[in-house]
Amino acid sequence: EAAVTQSPRNKVTVTGGNVTLSCRQTNSHNYMYWYRQDTGHGLRLIHYSYGAGNLQIGDVPDGYKATRTTQEDFFLLLELASPSQTSLYFCASRPTGMGEQYFGPGTRLTVL
Amino acid sequence: KTQVEQSPQSLVVRQGENCVLQCNYSVTPDNHLRWFKQDTGKGLVSLTVLVDQKDKTSNGRYSATLDKDAKHSTLHITATLLDDTATYICVVGDRGSALGRLHFGAGTQLIVIP
Repeated sequence: EAAVTQSPRNKVTVTGGNVTLSCRQTNSHNYMYWYRQDTGHGLRLIHYSYGAGNLQIGDVPDGYKATRTTQEDFFLLLELASPSQTSLYFCASRPTGMGEQYFGPGTRLTVL
Repeated sequence: KTQVEQSPQSLVVRQGENCVLQCNYSVTPDNHLRWFKQDTGKGLVSLTVLVDQKDKTSNGRYSATLDKDAKHSTLHITATLLDDTATYICVVGDRGSALGRLHFGAGTQLIVIP
């Protein structure tokens, strides 16, 4: 069973704060994704990557940076957090080809 | 533009009753369709995946159908339990996307009452 972990699981920060969300997968998957989930919306793609050092923009990238330091680790950076970024964030990984995406447990971020 | 529409938005049933959740989509070309269960504020738990043009799956009290011609799927829950209270999310894979893009519905919130 593919394993994707996220940390922290919960985070509270203030407007203007600097936040880093971490995601690690130990499945040697090439693709990794960051999503946000808000009430009334399906999961929306923020950024994704297909390998260490690679970064691609998703559908809702404004206010977010990301970095893929290794094949295992994908980070989501909020350098000036705003209340509109209060959300549930999911990371996922997928092997090359049409394999399924495996989701992490999520990180609840609250920006006051 | 939303490419995956789920109905109803919310549903209340009594324990022991059956229910049916609907998913309509416009994703083209479509690859697979997966149903997830999500407890409030928690992660996504895969219930079933459908891949064939006309597909049916069964997983305990959950059964699902897919008709790719109609771009329509249903999730049936039989003899509901209180623990079935959750949001059920329909996800469609985009076969034309090299990045393995997924299109998510907003979910149906199911509440099971005693």
